[in-house]
Amino acid sequence: KQEVTQIPAALSVPEGENLVLNCSFTDSAIYNLQWFRQDPGKGLTSLLLIQSSQREQTSGRLNASLDKSSGRSTLYIAASQPGDSATYLCALAQAGTALIFGKGTTLSVSS
Amino acid sequence: ETGVTQTPRHLVMGMTNKKSLKCEQHLGHNAMYWYKQSAKKPLELMFVYSLEERVENNSVPSRFSPECPNSSHLFLHLHTLQPEDSALYLCASSQDIPAAGGRETQYFGPGTRLLVL
Repeated sequence: KQEVTQIPAALSVPEGENLVLNCSFTDSAIYNLQWFRQDPGKGLTSLLLIQSSQREQTSGRLNASLDKSSGRSTLYIAASQPGDSATYLCALAQAGTALIFGKGTTLSVSS
Repeated sequence: ETGVTQTPRHLVMGMTNKKSLKCEQHLGHNAMYWYKQSAKKPLELMFVYSLEERVENNSVPSRFSPECPNSSHLFLHLHTLQPEDSALYLCASSQDIPAAGGRETQYFGPGTRLLVL
């Protein structure tokens, strides 16, 4: 059974700092890996999707990497801003129909 | 605007009530999903519909009953719920269900915050 772990559970940083969020998984037979953002009390917004054949994806200040062999993904946020404060969720798509989610990392960026 | 709307946004109900959650997607997608998000737990998939046919029921109690009358609408009918069913219920849609080589993501609605007293 696939298990997705996100570390740390919570992170507080000052504005302008670069940071890395981690996601690990136990079964490398995945179709893709996605990073989502969730603001308090709201739904999820997709940030980046990495297909199983890819190593990384970039969007603006965000860069996500995927290493299937080690079962790891990282989300790198450059020059963090207070507006980046949210919960970041890692999710895997694999055979079957479900996305399997981690518990998330709650990020707080102070000005 | 994600193109996926959910009503109501907040719901308080007693354990003997019957209520329904509604989800509508305006994206022309073929697959729709119900997820449950409880405090300090990962999102849990509840139901998946593809082309209006249920393709997965993830061991959900029968007090939750989904309905998909067409590809744009998804309902979750609730009856005789328990306090532990209090959670954020999220609806999502995608072009199709996940498949090898797939590059599509799921689009989520804002959720319904449910409190069962």
